[in-house]
Amino acid sequence: AQSVTQLGSHVSVSEGALVLLRCNYSSSVPPYLFWYVQYPNQGLQLLLKYTTGATLVKGINGFEAEFKKSETSFHLTKPSAHMSDAAEYFCAVSPPFSGSARQLTFGSGTQLTVLP
Amino acid sequence: DTEVTQTPKHLVMGMTNKKSLKCEQHMGHRAMYWYKQKAKKPPELMFVYSYEKLSINESVPSRFSPECPNSSLLNLHLHALQPEDSALYLCASSQPPSGSLAGELFFGEGSRLTVL
Repeated sequence: AQSVTQLGSHVSVSEGALVLLRCNYSSSVPPYLFWYVQYPNQGLQLLLKYTTGATLVKGINGFEAEFKKSETSFHLTKPSAHMSDAAEYFCAVSPPFSGSARQLTFGSGTQLTVLP
Repeated sequence: DTEVTQTPKHLVMGMTNKKSLKCEQHMGHRAMYWYKQKAKKPPELMFVYSYEKLSINESVPSRFSPECPNSSLLNLHLHALQPEDSALYLCASSQPPSGSLAGELFFGEGSRLTVL
C-alpha cells in the first residue's frame, strides 16, 4: 500500500520569497511521484513528475522538486513566489508498474497563499 | 491537443432527476477516469476505464453509472442522487505507462454538481 503525507495544509509566503511545499511518501517500491496544482474552480494541472533517473526534476512555472529516497520525500520548491502561484497543490504517488492505467494516491493538499 | 473537455461546467438537479456528465479527449489516451472532489479535499477515484472496459469501480453507489462509448468519450449517468453527492466531478485520461512514458493523468476542468 502507498500513502502520501503533505505537511502543512496551509502555507503562506510573501511575494518574492521561497516556496517550499513538503511531501513525504510511503511505498514498498520506488514509486512514481507527481505534483499537481489546482486553481479555484478548475481541474488539476500537472506541475512535474519523477519516474526514474535524475532526482531533481523541473516543472512548469518555475517549480522544481527533488526526489530523496533516503528521506522518502519529494518536496516542491520555487525560488521566488508570484501572486499567481496562489492555489491548492497536491502531491501524488503511484506504483511504477500499474498496468494500463495509472492509479494515483493523493496527499491531502496544501493551500498556498502569496502575500503582497 | 492536450485537453480533456467536460460538459456541462455546472449542473443543478433534483433528487429525482436523471442527468449525465460528459468527458471527451482526443489525445489517443486509452485510460479514462472519473474522480469526485469535495471542497478542500483531494480527488477521490470513482471509476477507471482501460481500453473502453471498466477496470476499477471504487465501490461507488449504483446511482452513478459510468459509460465509455468509445476511446474518446466517457459519460457519467446520474440518477436519484442525494444532496451529499454535490461535488466537483473530474474526468481524467492517460496513456498506458510504457518505457519512459509515465502515463500521467491529464484532468479536465470538472463539472460542478449541485443536488437539491
